[in-house]
Parts: sequence; C-alpha cells; structure tokens
Amino acid sequence: AQSVTQPDIHITVSEGASLELRCNYSYGATPYLFWYVQSPGQGLQLLLKYFSGDTLVQGIKGFEAEFKRSQSSFNLRKPSVHWSDAAEYFCAVGATGRRALTFGSGTRLQVQP
Amino acid sequence: EAEVAQSPRYKITEKSQAVAFWCDPISGHATLYWYRQILGQGPELLVQFQDESVVDDSQLPKDRFSAERLKGVDSTLKIQPAELGDSAMYLCASSLKTGGHVYEQYFGPGTRLTVT
Repeated sequence: AQSVTQPDIHITVSEGASLELRCNYSYGATPYLFWYVQSPGQGLQLLLKYFSGDTLVQGIKGFEAEFKRSQSSFNLRKPSVHWSDAAEYFCAVGATGRRALTFGSGTRLQVQP
Repeated sequence: EAEVAQSPRYKITEKSQAVAFWCDPISGHATLYWYRQILGQGPELLVQFQDESVVDDSQLPKDRFSAERLKGVDSTLKIQPAELGDSAMYLCASSLKTGGHVYEQYFGPGTRLTVT
C-alpha cells in the first residue's frame, strides 16, 4: 500500500523568501504525485501533478515540484513566497488500481511580513 | 470554471441525531469520492463511486454511515446516529472516469460537521 510522509508539520518563512516543502512517498511502482493547497475552512485546490516525463513540473501560483525517484521524494518549491501563500499544503499519491488518493498529514505554512 | 458543489457548508448536530451531506460533481466526471478530514490531518477516503456503483467503501463505518449516488450524478452521504468523533470536514471530490489511469481530483469546499 502507498503512503506519504510530510516531515514538517509547520513552517514559517518571511515574505519574499524561498520555500521548500518536503514530501516522501512509499509505493512500489511509478507513482502519480500531487500537491494540493487548502486555505482555512476551504476545500483542496490542485497546485500541480506528476504522472510521467519531465521530473520538474510547474504548477499554478508560481509553484514547482521535482520528482526524485532515487529519494522517493516530490518536494514543492517556490522562489519567492507571498503573504497569500499562507495555507496548508498536502502531498498525495495515487496508484493505478486504486484511484483514490493517499494524502500526507500536511504542512502548515505561515508567512511573516 | 466548473466546480464541485457541496451543501451545507457547516452543520452542527447533537450526538445520536441523523445528518446528511450532498455533493454535485463536475459535469462529466464519472468518479466521485467522499473523504473525511479530521483537524490537523490529511483527507482519508470514505467511499468511492464509479458512476452509480460503489468501488471502494472499505473505510466507511457501515454501521452508521451510508452513501448513495442513485443516478450516477450527485451523491448523498448520511450519518445515523452521529457521534462526537464524527466531527470533521467532509470533502467531496470528482474526477474523470479513469479506466485504470489516475486523473487529478477536484474538490468541493467541504462540509464542516460539529457534533455536540
């Protein structure tokens, strides 16, 4: 069965600083990987996805993520954080044969002015 | 832009009462999911529909939870009786019919349930 680990529960960065959120997955085959963002009291919005091909994927709102098979990681990055990026971020993995996603426990991002 | 609709957005109920949530997926999306998200955790699947058929309800507490998607479009999730531990966000998501492939899921705004 697949699993996702997000090691950082809470991260605080200054506005304008760079950001990297970590995600490690466990899955025997090539995974389908996703990053979602959730604002307080809201549903989840898809930021980006990796299915195959280029291991560096671009998403919305200036986010990108890099798939590293050797490290079983799919870290999310942004070069310059804006105050509006404060939210909770979830990494998820999908697998053929079980189309529902398995989510990590999330990383809460706080942005300081 | 098409969205997944859910209602109500917030629900407060007393324990032992019945409660129901409604979801209308994006038009054309054959797969519908109900997830439960406990505060501070990621969503966990409760039930998955392909058209009107349940394809995965292994994590659904069937003694008190039920879900249906009678015409393969909108869906209702019911809890009877509600317990204090059911307090959570209930999220509905939909995706294209997959045929073995994994497609991205689109989430609704959720229903925040508080059981008192």
